[in-house]
Amino acid sequence: KAGVTQTPRYLIKTRGQQVTLSCSPISGHRSVSWYQQTPGQGLQFLFEYFSETQRNKGNFPGRFSGRQFSNSRSEMNVSTLELGDSALYLCASSSWGQGNTGELFFGEGSRLTVL
Amino acid sequence: TQLLEQSPQFLSIQEGENLTVYCNSSSVFSSLQWYRQEPGEGPVLLVTVVTGGEVKKLKRLTFQFGDARKDSSLHITAAQPGDTGLYLCAGAGIGNTPLVFGKGTRLSVIA
Repeated sequence: KAGVTQTPRYLIKTRGQQVTLSCSPISGHRSVSWYQQTPGQGLQFLFEYFSETQRNKGNFPGRFSGRQFSNSRSEMNVSTLELGDSALYLCASSSWGQGNTGELFFGEGSRLTVL
Repeated sequence: TQLLEQSPQFLSIQEGENLTVYCNSSSVFSSLQWYRQEPGEGPVLLVTVVTGGEVKKLKRLTFQFGDARKDSSLHITAAQPGDTGLYLCAGAGIGNTPLVFGKGTRLSVIA
């Protein structure tokens, strides 16, 4: 079956702009989690959506937001971009969500560069 | 806040050597996962350990969960260039709490 698909793969923005990233989970998976990966901080949890409801949220400012649609596809938005937002944004899907011993299936990520 | 410390951060070895990567925390985890991430790709699950003291083997890779479920190790025997990548450990807490990831160990195996 198809894996997790993230779009776009690469994008360049300038400070102050906003960006929307998209994630299509594996068919049948109801949980989508978003992570920010940087060389200095590693993978940091942004939020998790399960059946269209935000179930968990990490310690990121309100500029970071997300949503999940009825078909389980998810989007995350970052407003008023800052240089420090440059990172690889990873989406992960799973059947039953975080907190279980189930596997997280990651997409290839969206690499955001903020100039 | 649960934290996972991985060591070493970087490791460069010759093909055929053995190595061990460590993942430590002061917190107890209900389970612990190891992922490998290759350049340009997302992390891929290697193993999940659930029981304290558990040992799992995956070909040349041996994973161990500490008795107190606070730490884990990954041992690779006779490393090969195909083992090159970023190895990440991730701990699961209680309930629907999100996985906590270590910062990773970047392994380079030179032929």
